[in-house]
Amino acid sequence: GENVEQHPSTLSVQEGDSAVIKCTYSDSASNYFPWYKQELGKRPQLIIDIRSNVGEKKDQRIAVTLNKTAKHFSLHITETQPEDSAVYFCAASVTSGTYKYIFGTGTRLKVLA
Amino acid sequence: SAVISQKPSRDICQRGTSLTIQCQVDSQVTMMFWYRQQPGQSLTLIATANQGSEATYESGFVIDKFPISRPNLTFSTLTVSNMSPEDSSIYLCSVETPQETQYFGPGTRLLVL
Repeated sequence: GENVEQHPSTLSVQEGDSAVIKCTYSDSASNYFPWYKQELGKRPQLIIDIRSNVGEKKDQRIAVTLNKTAKHFSLHITETQPEDSAVYFCAASVTSGTYKYIFGTGTRLKVLA
Repeated sequence: SAVISQKPSRDICQRGTSLTIQCQVDSQVTMMFWYRQQPGQSLTLIATANQGSEATYESGFVIDKFPISRPNLTFSTLTVSNMSPEDSSIYLCSVETPQETQYFGPGTRLLVL
């Protein structure tokens, strides 16, 4: 069935450094790839997304890249700050059968001050 | 975006009882989803709530255990029936906006004793 793999499961970086989280999806028909940030005790919040007709999208310190051929997409956070510490989830849309999202297993990012 | 509310925000229930969770969104949406999130885990889709027809359940989830209602385009309920301690989790509804972006409700934290 459809699957999204996410790596790493945990990531610690020094404040000011960059962080990269990678996801691989299995459904070649997937065409929408959102990223969510979840702080402790809070709901997942959409932080950036990308559709299959573009290869890269940037929003201030956050960027997402997509390689449809390899079925990879990545989240890049530059100049990390302590408030970036959270769990990040990638997701991929699934269009076969019922439309839905498949979520990755999550990455716990810790930004060390 | 969409403003989504859930009730109750948390509850403690006795095994064998049932709890109904409500999800309300401030605008009409075509798609509403129900997820479960175990502590420290990713988001698992329970079902898609379809307006005017039966919900579409994911593998491992059945209507008798998780009956869902969707009476209109702004409201849905999920019932967790005949609860056991294994049902202790966070239950989240989400909606897909006409812009094809998915947003989450604040979640319902359920503890079954």
